[in-house]
Amino acid sequence: DVKVTQSSRYLVKRTGEKVFLECVQDMDHENMFWYRQDPGLGLRLIYFSYDVKMKEKGDIPEGYSVSREKKERFSLILESASTNQTSMYLCASSLGGLGENTEAFFGQGTRLTVV
Amino acid sequence: AQSVSQHNHHVILSEAASLELGCNYSYGGTVNLFWYVQYPGQHLQLLLKYFSGDPLVKGIKGFEAEFIKSKFSFNLRKPSVQWSDTAEYFCAVRTNRDDKIIFGKGTRLHILP
Repeated sequence: DVKVTQSSRYLVKRTGEKVFLECVQDMDHENMFWYRQDPGLGLRLIYFSYDVKMKEKGDIPEGYSVSREKKERFSLILESASTNQTSMYLCASSLGGLGENTEAFFGQGTRLTVV
Repeated sequence: AQSVSQHNHHVILSEAASLELGCNYSYGGTVNLFWYVQYPGQHLQLLLKYFSGDPLVKGIKGFEAEFIKSKFSFNLRKPSVQWSDTAEYFCAVRTNRDDKIIFGKGTRLHILP
């Protein structure tokens, strides 16, 4: 089974702190994603990576950056946390391209509260 | 940019009723389409997917979806819902333009026992 593991289930951080959310996948997937999930807004793509050191902005990249130094690991960085970044953050991974087995597999999520 | 629209934000049904959740996407090229489900307190899991071939796809727990290319739609159906189907349902699309997977805003389904 594909496993996507996020380092924390719950985090509480202060406004202005630099926050790191870590994600590791064990299926050698090319693609990794970071989404945030908010009630009524669904899942919104923050950043996407299709290879080591390669990234693309999603729909809401402002206030975030990412790092992918190894294929299995994808980090989301909040440079200076703000209260409007309080949310559930979901990491996912998938094979590249279109085809039969290219769905995204999700981690359990990190609920971040910024106070 | 590609987008996904889910028309029903909140649906309430009684057990044994039939279900249809709407999903439309905006992209004219080749797509893979997905429905995910999130049960209360759990992580997202795949319900079913379309990648090619038969436009009627069957998934887990008695769900099915039909891809209608001319309507850019991928509606989810179940003939008879159960209380345990109470969850949030998300439609998603992946295109041949890039490898991003874009989700709709979700539909909260509440089944009355």
